[in-house]
Order: sequence, then structure tokens, then C-alpha cells
Amino acid sequence: QSVLTQPPSVSAAPGQKVAISCSGSTSNIGNNYVSWYQQFPGTAPQLLIYDNNKRPSGIPDRFSGSKSGASATLDITGLQTGDEADYYCAAWDNSLGNVFGTGTKVTVL
Amino acid sequence: QVHLQESGPGLVKPSQTLSLTCNVSGASISSAGHYWSWIRQPPGKGLEWIGYVSYSGSTHYNPSLKSRVTMSEDTSENQLSLRLSSVTAADSAVYYCAVGATWYINYGMDVWGQGTTVTVSS
Repeated sequence: QSVLTQPPSVSAAPGQKVAISCSGSTSNIGNNYVSWYQQFPGTAPQLLIYDNNKRPSGIPDRFSGSKSGASATLDITGLQTGDEADYYCAAWDNSLGNVFGTGTKVTVL
Repeated sequence: QVHLQESGPGLVKPSQTLSLTCNVSGASISSAGHYWSWIRQPPGKGLEWIGYVSYSGSTHYNPSLKSRVTMSEDTSENQLSLRLSSVTAADSAVYYCAVGATWYINYGMDVWGQGTTVTVSS
């Protein structure tokens, strides 16, 4: 049972935008950095966003992260079929250590 | 460029100890600022952080697994190891090692191994 809650699934048509929420508390998101990961079936997760809103080299600017209080959001604009994957948020929790969100499956309609 | 490669037995019997190794290339495991994590993912489920061993050898474990986990490093071989005792079927998962390898990243694991599948079964 993760302490970071995400919607199980989100969907949108190609070209549209999706927003994935990640709800935590002051023990984690509220006072620590957030990162986001993309995972395709059968492969290792890939870092999409670090330090709340920064993209590693090679990650398109269609992916953006934000944080407000104890919640974080990953936005994907200009949705593409290749974006169909599972997405996880993560944060350091002052009691539990590193925690991952429950995960969100993105479907492109 | 940092590369991680997990290895270990794919099948472990219940109540036994699971032992995995993560071979690190492209960086020294004792490089300052590196925190080498183990993460697992049961079939069809989400990611679970198991813990980390730091560049200095200190460790921090997930409280839910702490009583059964031991992580260590072998600087001579530049390898990390994970031991999980008293395993049950619930420990069946893909096990990953991962690290935040880029110096300007405060929080985020940008290098992952490909993962190794462990099944607990008699």
C-alpha cells in the first residue's frame, strides 16, 4: 500500500493532453523532491522528471512536472501512441525512505 | 556512462535466502554522492523500493523489509549485493538495481539495470 496515490488510468486522443496526479503528504511530497518514471511492459523504468520539474537529457518537453503542496502532477501534451505506458511518481518519505506512487496507465484512444 | 547488470538465481525455495548481485560499470560504487538502490516489481504490480547502499557503505532499508534485508558492496569487484531472507511467494518479482548517476540530479534514478526475475517456489 503506497503512501503516494495516483489514478489507476488516464486516457486521451492523440495530440491531446493528460495530467497524472500524485497525492502525498508533508512527510514526502510536501517537503521533498518528486521524480517521475515511465515504464513500458517488460522493460525497466526510465526517469522522466527529476527534482520536481526538470527533464533529463533526451526527454521531450511534452513531458512536464509540477508540485504544489503535498501533490505533484505530470503533464503529457501532444499525446502520442508511443506514450502508452505506466507512469510512477516517487518521493523521499521522512519515515519510510524512498516511496513510489501506485502507478498510472496511460492509454491513447 | 554508467551501466548496471543484475544477476542471480531465477528460482528460490520458500524460507530460503535470495541473493542477487548488481555489477556496476562506468563508475566506481564508492564515488561520492552515489546511492545505489534496489527496487522490485511483483508481476502485474507497482514498484517497491527495497533500500539503498551509499557510496560510503551506509544503508537505508524499507521499514517493511528491514528485518529480512541486507545490502552490501564489494569495492574490489565494483559490485552491489542484495540478500533477502525467509522468502515467500510474495517476494517473487523483477528485481532492479538503480542509481542517480548524474551529478546535478538531486532526486531521481536515471540509470537502471534491465532487471532480473526471481520466482519463489518449491
